[in-house]
Amino acid sequence: EVHLVESGGGLVQPGRSLRLSCAASGFNFNNHAMHWVRQAPGKGLEWVSSISWNSGNILYADSVKGRFTISRDNANNSLYLQMTSLRTEDMALYFCARAECGGCWLIDYLGQGTLVTVSS
Amino acid sequence: EIVLTQSPDTLSLSPGERATLSCRASQSISRNYLAWYEQKCGQAPRLVIHGASSRATGIPDRFSGSGSGTDFTLTISRLEPEDFAVYYCQQYANSPITFGQGTRLEIK
Repeated sequence: EVHLVESGGGLVQPGRSLRLSCAASGFNFNNHAMHWVRQAPGKGLEWVSSISWNSGNILYADSVKGRFTISRDNANNSLYLQMTSLRTEDMALYFCARAECGGCWLIDYLGQGTLVTVSS
Repeated sequence: EIVLTQSPDTLSLSPGERATLSCRASQSISRNYLAWYEQKCGQAPRLVIHGASSRATGIPDRFSGSGSGTDFTLTISRLEPEDFAVYYCQQYANSPITFGQGTRLEIK
């Protein structure tokens, strides 16, 4: 069974940094691209970033480009999102998500999310 | 960027009725790379349909997807109580990946 567990969320002041982690299990992590998707309170879904199986192809939403960095550690079945210069509009539930294959972008599973609150 | 517009915003129906949800794209979606997700309150989204018309693993056959180009539809043939949720369409053909604003399917 696919299992994605996010961690690292919390309360942070505007302008500060935070690093999210996602522990993956139940599948061969090396064979799948991964994503981060977020959902602001009471709002819809917003794609944030994607990384291919070998980190060779990385994409960002314009809203986070230059501030967020996605990375992965295939040896430890882990996905990360380094977030810097956080803004109040970054406040959201952040979901780790699996892509169907290594170089494709269809999201087939999402974790339960970790909440990031940006407030002074 | 491909903008997805869903209609209606809210759909009020009774169990046993048929639900038809629409998703319109601002430009043609190549290879019909259009997916639908279901999100229940307090839960993570779940993939329902991919490739415009293929049901995801474990999705009952009362769910069906259709459409191509810029117009897509999710149909639930006979609503069960557990189907009342928010549904999002998503395109994964082009970067940035984009979602529609969602349709809330509520019990009448």
